[in-house]
Amino acid sequence: DAEITQSPRHKITETGRQVTLACHQTWNHNNMFWYRQDLGHGLRLIHYSYGVHDTNKGEVSDGYSVSRSNTEDLPLTLESAASSQTSVYFCASSSGGAGGNNQPQHFGDGTRLSIL
Amino acid sequence: GQQLNQSPQSMFIQEGEDVSMNCTSSSIFNTWLWYKQDPGEGPVLLIALYKAGELTSNGRLTAQFGITRKDSFLNISASIPSDVGIYFCAGRAQKLVFGQGTRLTINP
Repeated sequence: DAEITQSPRHKITETGRQVTLACHQTWNHNNMFWYRQDLGHGLRLIHYSYGVHDTNKGEVSDGYSVSRSNTEDLPLTLESAASSQTSVYFCASSSGGAGGNNQPQHFGDGTRLSIL
Repeated sequence: GQQLNQSPQSMFIQEGEDVSMNCTSSSIFNTWLWYKQDPGEGPVLLIALYKAGELTSNGRLTAQFGITRKDSFLNISASIPSDVGIYFCAGRAQKLVFGQGTRLTINP
């Protein structure tokens, strides 16, 4: 079955370190998204991509970057981890072109990141 | 920017009771989605709504896309223990925006 997987599921790191979270989907979806989930804020969009080599900033993009070199993967990088970036991170994907505006997003199971 | 107000924030009910939650916004949306999230997992899509006035069911779940396109509700009938979790609404115009969630707790 097609799926979307995130790795690692849990990570602890120190402030100032570079961290990369992986997201891999086997649905061949054009659109991929990264969110962070924090108490009191729900899910907030970090970055998104509508296709290979396309990346866009979301609501809370500062301190994060993404790259899309193929359809299946959208890794999220924290250039210099800060304690404020401790959160649970979710990757999602959806089908359709130009953002797939009417197609629901399907989520991975999340990465819990703690920055000490 | 676009914001969603989801209510209630939490619910404590008895098994067998019906549940109702809703999302409202000052913005107009083209799509409403309802997700459920279990602990340690990602949100799972329950119902997708694409037209104003649309009423859609998925088993014991029923959701409606408000006529004004600024609101949506989700009802759960005859709740059971596995309904426990956090329910999120999401509305889309240009981007998908999420509500803050309704945490449902069921007393057996």
